[in-house]
Amino acid sequence: EAGVAQSPRYKIIEKRQSVAFWCNPISGHATLYWYQQILGQGPKLLIQFQNNGVVDDSQLPKDRFSAERLKGVDSTLKIQPAKLEDSAVYLCASSKGSRANTGELFFGEGSRLTVL
Amino acid sequence: AQSVTQLDSQVPVFEEAPVELRCNYSSSVSVYLFWYVQYPNQGLQLLLKYLSGSTLVKGINGFEAEFNKSQTSFHLRKPSVHISDTAEYFCAVIKSGGYQKVTFGTGTKLQVIP
Repeated sequence: EAGVAQSPRYKIIEKRQSVAFWCNPISGHATLYWYQQILGQGPKLLIQFQNNGVVDDSQLPKDRFSAERLKGVDSTLKIQPAKLEDSAVYLCASSKGSRANTGELFFGEGSRLTVL
Repeated sequence: AQSVTQLDSQVPVFEEAPVELRCNYSSSVSVYLFWYVQYPNQGLQLLLKYLSGSTLVKGINGFEAEFNKSQTSFHLRKPSVHISDTAEYFCAVIKSGGYQKVTFGTGTKLQVIP
């Protein structure tokens, strides 16, 4: 079974530029998550999708971050314009996502963003 | 809302020595508890989980954890560590049932010294 795929693995941009990250979850997984992991900290949930719908985006900085999940499969996370404090690893994860959600997440390798 | 506290940010331990990584959680409702491991430049991988039943949970790579409801703890243990166990370990909690958010602790870096 193929795992969660993310791209790009690394991205360096200057502040005020834009960047987009892509995620392809495990086939059949209904729930998709984007986490932000700043160096030295635990992953922080940015947005959680259940199929096409957003379940939780309470910690997404909506003035600069946006995310979509097309047809309930792939997802894209965009940052525009980027700030220095956005430097982090952006982790995508997926889970089977049912009412009996046991919370087991499957993570991709992450996309490391450096904002100069 | 639930939360997780990992008091130790770094734990150095000699190879073949035992180790315990501490995790305490806070929640007013039933929860599921997890330990994830992150090797350098990789995503997180599930190590073990507690959903219900026996409070002693065994995971991959010889790790185990014990759920203690009275102390609201879920400490991770291994009787003898290897160099390959050097990684960052994250405790996580989710409220049982429904589409709930998984909350992670700040992580503990385990450094195994040869």
